[in-house]
Amino acid sequence: EDKVVQSPLSLVVHEGDTVTLNCSYEVTNFRSLLWYKQEKKAPTFLFMLTSSGIEKKSGRLSSILDKKELFSILNITATQTGDSAVYLCAPRTGGFKTIFGAGTRLFVKA
Amino acid sequence: ETGVTQTPRHLVMGMTNKKSLKCEQHLGHNAMYWYKQSAKKPLELMFVYSLEERVENNSVPSRFSPECPNSSHLFLHLHTLQPEDSALYLCASSQARTIETQYFGPGTRLLVL
Repeated sequence: EDKVVQSPLSLVVHEGDTVTLNCSYEVTNFRSLLWYKQEKKAPTFLFMLTSSGIEKKSGRLSSILDKKELFSILNITATQTGDSAVYLCAPRTGGFKTIFGAGTRLFVKA
Repeated sequence: ETGVTQTPRHLVMGMTNKKSLKCEQHLGHNAMYWYKQSAKKPLELMFVYSLEERVENNSVPSRFSPECPNSSHLFLHLHTLQPEDSALYLCASSQARTIETQYFGPGTRLLVL
């Protein structure tokens, strides 16, 4: 059975802190892994990772995939209150199925 | 206009009602999806349409009935729902079913009384 585990489930930090969000997965015929940010309603796409060891960056956010150990991390540096959201990890299988984790709820205090 | 729109944004219905959720995408995509998001649970994929053909149905009860009249529109018809069906229903689209990046609509918050 396909499985995605995100940790921690929730996290409270102060502005300026750096956070690392974790995602481990076991899926059939892994194809890629996506990260989404969900604020009030709709998830918005952050990164798609397909290759191990290649960091993807977008401003203060970065992510990397380890296909051997079956995990990915999402880093956010110099956090801001606007980073408060639920971060979703979603591996995708060769059968084009996207499986979402339960998410990590991040709260950044001013 | 935003890429994926959903109406209504909020819906309250009784267990004997029939209602429909609507999703429209303005991105020229060929694949559309319905997801259910319950409190403190992961997003659950309900249905996938590719080129207006249903290609995936993940054991969803028959009280949920999808319809995709064209590649820009997706409906979810609801009838005789249960209180446990109360959730956020999210529509998404992607360029093709084989393309990873999905763009989500704002969702419909459904409450079944």
